[in-house]
Amino acid sequence: GENVGLHLPTLSVQEGDNSIINCAYSNSASDYFIWYKQESGKGPQFIIDIRSNMDKRQGQRVTVLLNKTVKHLSLQIAATQPGDSAVYFCAENTAYSGAGSYQLTFGKGTKLSVIP
Amino acid sequence: GAVVSQHPSRVICKSGTSVKIECRSLDFQATTMFWYRQFPKQSLMLMATSNEGSKATYEQGVEKDKFLINHASLTLSTLTVTSAHPEDSSFYICSAWGDRGTYEQYFGPGTRLTVT
Repeated sequence: GENVGLHLPTLSVQEGDNSIINCAYSNSASDYFIWYKQESGKGPQFIIDIRSNMDKRQGQRVTVLLNKTVKHLSLQIAATQPGDSAVYFCAENTAYSGAGSYQLTFGKGTKLSVIP
Repeated sequence: GAVVSQHPSRVICKSGTSVKIECRSLDFQATTMFWYRQFPKQSLMLMATSNEGSKATYEQGVEKDKFLINHASLTLSTLTVTSAHPEDSSFYICSAWGDRGTYEQYFGPGTRLTVT
């Protein structure tokens, strides 16, 4: 995704409700996608990943859905808690970096605010 | 999960001086390390990719003579910001990838650079 603008989209949810964070990715050839959580002043923290041969993957309280037809990725957080407040980024692997690794391209990010 | 550290976590330097940031993989061998820059309220932007023992590959618009990257061992990469200016003030994050049978990159906690 592109990185434009200085204002992150914000999602405010009540504690205990479910959260859905969306992401549109750019490269139809990408075959691996990751969701990261980033708290203020910290590095990204891995949440969940999914490969392009799947359309859904579940973790603990989180589910990632992949729709390759429209190049859309979503992260669902069940029973959202105050500790879930952070910025969430989707990332897709794009270019091969050599030695077996791939570069990641990050989406714009969404700020999740949980209302106690 | 794998652990990646960065040092220092915060640094303030005067305009015109150089600053070195270290990125270490603590419990695995990092074949590839990535350096990102993140401005406030924006996403992570890849600056460069370095494979151990090779010269770094820089993204378009990133000056290789200003941002010197060394990846001389499988556990350490360094980013040196030379002749720093206030516009170089940013959050610098590294990630590491090693042959663990996954595409996943492991991120460091970031380094906040402020140039006065």
